[in-house]
Amino acid sequence: KAGVTQTPRYLIKTRGQQVTLSCSPISGHRSVSWYQQTPGQGLQFLFEYFSETQRNKGNFPGRFSGRQFSNSRSEMNVSTLELGDSALYLCASSVSGRDEQYFGPGTRLTVT
Amino acid sequence: QKEVEQNSGPLSVPEGAIASLNCTYSDRVSQSFFWYRQYSGKSPELIMSIYSNGDKEDGRFTAQLNKASQYVSLLIRDSQPSDSATYLCAVNPGGFKTIFGAGTRLFVKA
Repeated sequence: KAGVTQTPRYLIKTRGQQVTLSCSPISGHRSVSWYQQTPGQGLQFLFEYFSETQRNKGNFPGRFSGRQFSNSRSEMNVSTLELGDSALYLCASSVSGRDEQYFGPGTRLTVT
Repeated sequence: QKEVEQNSGPLSVPEGAIASLNCTYSDRVSQSFFWYRQYSGKSPELIMSIYSNGDKEDGRFTAQLNKASQYVSLLIRDSQPSDSATYLCAVNPGGFKTIFGAGTRLFVKA
């Protein structure tokens, strides 16, 4: 069974730009969660989607948004990028959202 | 108080020894508990999950859960240098949000 895939793997953007990251879950998994990982803050929960509905959201500003499509693929968008948005963005898929999560390789975003 | 707390380490053990990693959580209603391993520059990899009080063994790994004490641990037997990584404890309190600890760095000395 193929694992979770994320594209792109690396991104370099400048302040003020926006970015869209993509995540394809494991086949049969309908829950997709997004996390931001930085050395100082660890893994921080962004949001979770299931059947195209956002069921939970973390404490991030409205510049961070996401969506999920009918095939369970998910995207997250960050608008008006700030230097502090530089991080590894991880998505994880699971069957229900309460069970084991499997992570993709991540997208490393650098904002200059 | 952090929702999921782990000792940041580093924890250093000799090859062949037992490594013991600990985690406490604050939400008493938590139902699902997970351990992940993360190598430097890589994404977290699921080691095992545990849902009931007691021990759960999988190869060299044993997870232990004590809900009354709000404590979950991971034992790694016969530690190998390849086990050197950061170990993340994760807790699901029952909703659709899994909370991760900051991780414990483990070094296994050859």
